[in-house]
Amino acid sequence: GENVEQHPSTLSVQEGDSAVIKCTYSDSASNYFPWYKQELGKGPQLIIDIRSNVGEKKDQRIAVTLNKTAKHFSLHITETQPEDSAVYFCAASMGGTSYGKLTFGQGTILTVHP
Amino acid sequence: DGGITQSPKYLFRKEGQNVTLSCEQNLNHDAMYWYRQDPGQGLRLIYYSQIVNDFQKGDIAEGYSVSREKKESFPLTVTSAQKNPTAFYLCASDTGTGRGGYTFGSGTRLTVV
Repeated sequence: GENVEQHPSTLSVQEGDSAVIKCTYSDSASNYFPWYKQELGKGPQLIIDIRSNVGEKKDQRIAVTLNKTAKHFSLHITETQPEDSAVYFCAASMGGTSYGKLTFGQGTILTVHP
Repeated sequence: DGGITQSPKYLFRKEGQNVTLSCEQNLNHDAMYWYRQDPGQGLRLIYYSQIVNDFQKGDIAEGYSVSREKKESFPLTVTSAQKNPTAFYLCASDTGTGRGGYTFGSGTRLTVV
């Protein structure tokens, strides 16, 4: 089955700096890569996603890049703010006949210091 | 507003007891999922259902059971056979087409006392 590795496990930045979280996946058939943000005591929320036919996607301060050849994808947050502090998860799925069953990375605890 | 409701938010179980976690959605989603979250291990799939009256085991199904009698509901039972049930349990749903992200509930924290 699919295996997703996520790094780093913790990330500490100063407000205004950029933050980058990286994930690798094992199954070349995976074609859908969402990122989730989880605040303390809550369920994860989808913040951005990318499909395998696209190399990069941006949404305001958040961007995701995908390298299919190397089987890795990354989340980039620019101009970080204290409210960006949370746990971030990457995930991968094959979609289609697998009906979007997601395999998650281990999570990154992001702390943004004012 | 549409969403997923998990209840209860906190649950305490004595050893040897079965407990059932509730998950209800009004998003008209076909697929529903149960994940377990432990510190440092991400989210691991317990069971999933793509359609009413059908469900499949995930990666860590031992000691758990589910039912899907209605489209809106996907309850999870943690049985006494689950050796280490203390965890945060998350329910999610999606359209089932693999073309969109999950909507998650707010979770149930289960503690064995």
